[in-house]
Amino acid sequence: EAGVTQSPTHLIKTRGQQATLRCSPISGHTSVYWYQQALGLGLQFLLWYDEGEERNRGNFPPRFSGRQFPNYSSELNVNALELEDSALYLCASSFYWGREGHEQYFGPGTRLTVT
Amino acid sequence: GDSVTQMEGPVTLSEEAFLTINCTYTATGYPSLFWYVQYPGEGLQLLLKATKADDKGSNKGFEATYRKETTSFHLEKGSVQVSDSAVYFCALPSGGSNYKLTFGKGTLLTVNP
Repeated sequence: EAGVTQSPTHLIKTRGQQATLRCSPISGHTSVYWYQQALGLGLQFLLWYDEGEERNRGNFPPRFSGRQFPNYSSELNVNALELEDSALYLCASSFYWGREGHEQYFGPGTRLTVT
Repeated sequence: GDSVTQMEGPVTLSEEAFLTINCTYTATGYPSLFWYVQYPGEGLQLLLKATKADDKGSNKGFEATYRKETTSFHLEKGSVQVSDSAVYFCALPSGGSNYKLTFGKGTLLTVNP
């Protein structure tokens, strides 16, 4: 069974530009989560989508946004890029969040570099 | 709020040494607990989990026991290998509906031959 996939692997952008990151969850999973792993800041929760809706977001500005498509894949958009947005962006998926266990399965990540 | 505290790294061991990485948590109730591992240049992999008190999670020779009395979930392995070199994260579900994972800061383990 295929795991969570993310594209692209690496992305280099200039300050002020927009970045789009993509994620495909494990088949059967309806929830998609985005996390940011920035140097020195650890893993921070960004966004949660379930059944096509944004269910919750972490403490990030509105220029971080995204969506979930009918096939449960997801897109993360970062507008007006700043240097501090440089990080590894990890996507995770799970069954409906209410299921016991709450384990999330992660993709390999997209390394975003802002110059 | 919910939080996870891991022992500070880095940890450097010789092959076949015993490993312990401490993890304690603060949470409402008794959430599931997880250990994730991140190999160099990769995403996170679920290593093991425990869903209730006194449960022992195990995988690939690693073990962790959910201790509610000490609010701990320490990771152990009896004999580490060079291939175990990675960053290890302790995590628990948090948020009003346990929708997100809250992670510890991670512990870098380096195993030398």
